Amino acid sequence: AQSVTQLGSHVSVSEGALVLLRCNYSSSVPPYLFWYVQYPNQGLQLLLKYTTGATLVKGINGFEAEFKKSETSFHLTKPSAHMSDAAEYFCAVSGIIIQGAQKLVFGQGTRLTINP
Amino acid sequence: NAGVTQTPKFRVLKTGQSMTLLCAQDMNHEYMYWYRQDPGMGLRLIHYSVGEGTTAKGEVPDGYNVSRLKKQNFLLGLESAAPSQTSVYFCASSLREVAVSTDTQYFGPGTRLTVL
Repeated sequence: AQSVTQLGSHVSVSEGALVLLRCNYSSSVPPYLFWYVQYPNQGLQLLLKYTTGATLVKGINGFEAEFKKSETSFHLTKPSAHMSDAAEYFCAVSGIIIQGAQKLVFGQGTRLTINP
Repeated sequence: NAGVTQTPKFRVLKTGQSMTLLCAQDMNHEYMYWYRQDPGMGLRLIHYSVGEGTTAKGEVPDGYNVSRLKKQNFLLGLESAAPSQTSVYFCASSLREVAVSTDTQYFGPGTRLTVL
């Protein structure tokens, strides 16, 4: 079985400050991990994903995440927040195949607010 | 190249009415998915398809039916709508890359459905 827990349903930071969104997972198989972003009234789009290899993954818009197996974590960071980063962020885990298709399990989401 | 599109964007139904949500993708993707998004619960998989003419149940399939008669289209039907089906519905598609578990899913903009 797989599950994802995102710590904090709402995070608020000042423009220019560090962004840290926390994600912990549990998985009975080697996990593949994803961060998706949802801007207001839009669908989700991929920020970054970890499959194999380097544990520090760089994504779009200056975001990065580090896979830490010992801590079962995949936290998302950005050194300096921008107003355009305001959105909802979803962490997801994959690894189990269901009848040939990807089983993607999502966390509950974290809404990021940027204060001017 | 429109990606994944969904029709309609908004709909209000009365309890017991039926409707069909249409998802279309122009990326020649094999896999298609229907999710529902509810506050504080992330996205949950309703049904999915691994190819034209095939469908399968996801995590929360009760009260929904699907069809995939053409590769580019994936329809979600509600035969007798209930207030518990008030939600935002997202369609996604993916193309098998290296391995199914690492695929990126591409999401549509969503359909906001209210059942009174």
